[in-house]
Amino acid sequence: AQSVSQHNHHVILSEAASLELGCNYSYGGTVNLFWYVQYPGQHLQLLLKYFSGDPLVKGIKGFEAEFIKSKFSFNLRKPSVQWSDTAEYFCAVSPSNTGKLIFGQGTTLQVKP
Amino acid sequence: DTAVSQTPKYLVTQMGNDKSIKCEQNLGHDTMYWYKQDSKKFLKIMFSYNNKELIINETVPNRFSPKSPDKAHLNLHINSLELGDSAVYFCASSQERGGGNTIYFGEGSWLTVV
Repeated sequence: AQSVSQHNHHVILSEAASLELGCNYSYGGTVNLFWYVQYPGQHLQLLLKYFSGDPLVKGIKGFEAEFIKSKFSFNLRKPSVQWSDTAEYFCAVSPSNTGKLIFGQGTTLQVKP
Repeated sequence: DTAVSQTPKYLVTQMGNDKSIKCEQNLGHDTMYWYKQDSKKFLKIMFSYNNKELIINETVPNRFSPKSPDKAHLNLHINSLELGDSAVYFCASSQERGGGNTIYFGEGSWLTVV
């Protein structure tokens, strides 16, 4: 079965620290990859996505992610986090032509001022 | 204007009741979805409609019935509510049904069954 695994369930960082959130998926075919963010009490917003081309994608608010096909990974990074980055982060995979997003279990990021 | 809007945002109801959540998108998208987020924040797709046609129907109790009167609307009706139905329900839409489309989410409907 297709699945998405996020390694870190709860991450606590101080402001200006660097961030890397791991995401691995299990699916042998072509996939599209996404990172969504959910700020407290709000809806999901798209941070970035990978469909094809350059495996290093840049998103909003200084986030980037790298698709490594051989490792089935799509890790999210940010060089220097801010208090306002405190949120829930979801990695998601959409196998081509299925029309559905399969989400990881989410990572809670808490940034201390 | 909100792209994907759903009502109500908060709903508290008793077990056994029937309730509906409405969703509308003004993005001109062809495909709409319902996702459920449980108390552990795990998100899972429930249904998807493309141009009013049901295309995805995950393992969901038949107490849940989606209705799409037109491609801009996808409502969710829940019969005989149970405690375990308490969750946040997100409506979403995308341009087309394929996996290569970005899915846009509504603000969620917090359902509490007491």
